[in-house]
Amino acid sequence: DGGITQSPKYLFRKEGQNVTLSCEQNLNHDAMYWYRQDPGQGLRLIYYSQIVNDFQKGDIAEGYSVSREKKESFPLTVTSAQKNPTAFYLCASHTGTAIEAFFGQGTRLTVV
Amino acid sequence: QKEVEQNSGPLSVPEGAIASLNCTYSDRGSQSFFWYRQYSGKSPELIMSIYSNGDKEDGRFTAQLNKASQYVSLLIRDSQPSDSATYLCAVPPGTASKLTFGTGTRLQVTL
Repeated sequence: DGGITQSPKYLFRKEGQNVTLSCEQNLNHDAMYWYRQDPGQGLRLIYYSQIVNDFQKGDIAEGYSVSREKKESFPLTVTSAQKNPTAFYLCASHTGTAIEAFFGQGTRLTVV
Repeated sequence: QKEVEQNSGPLSVPEGAIASLNCTYSDRGSQSFFWYRQYSGKSPELIMSIYSNGDKEDGRFTAQLNKASQYVSLLIRDSQPSDSATYLCAVPPGTASKLTFGTGTRLQVTL
């Protein structure tokens, strides 16, 4: 089955620790995105990538980093510089022509 | 002006009624539009996409696009309690470089 897979579903981070969220797609999509969603709020764009080896900052990139070494994969690292990382993180992707765009199931990150 | 605007709601409609959700956008170069449904605690699910002016129907859902007025709407006929969710409007990259979302409208279907 084609789709977008995010892992893990739940993640717990200690203060001062870096953690990496995985996003993999087998849809042959060119563009991939990371969003953050806080309770009762809309989506906020962290980073996006239109092609391999290239990515752009979104509205709230501080404290986050990404890489796009393969078309299928767009991992997000939440660094210790992100002071309030507890949130629901969503990965999305679409084709170059953006006929449709899909989301993964999300990763819920909690600081303990 | 925000790139994509939606009324945050909540929009409350009785069961069986028509729910009308609206979205306006600023990029005149936008060619296609998406509607997503998001249940609380879940990821958004693509329910409709529309590319041409006019109406597009899929079951109880109808998307309406008016490029001259720069708005897109979603009608839900015979609303059910299971339709209670947040509905997100999205505009794919056109002259803009990225997929852009509205903040979403929360719909409540009451018994």
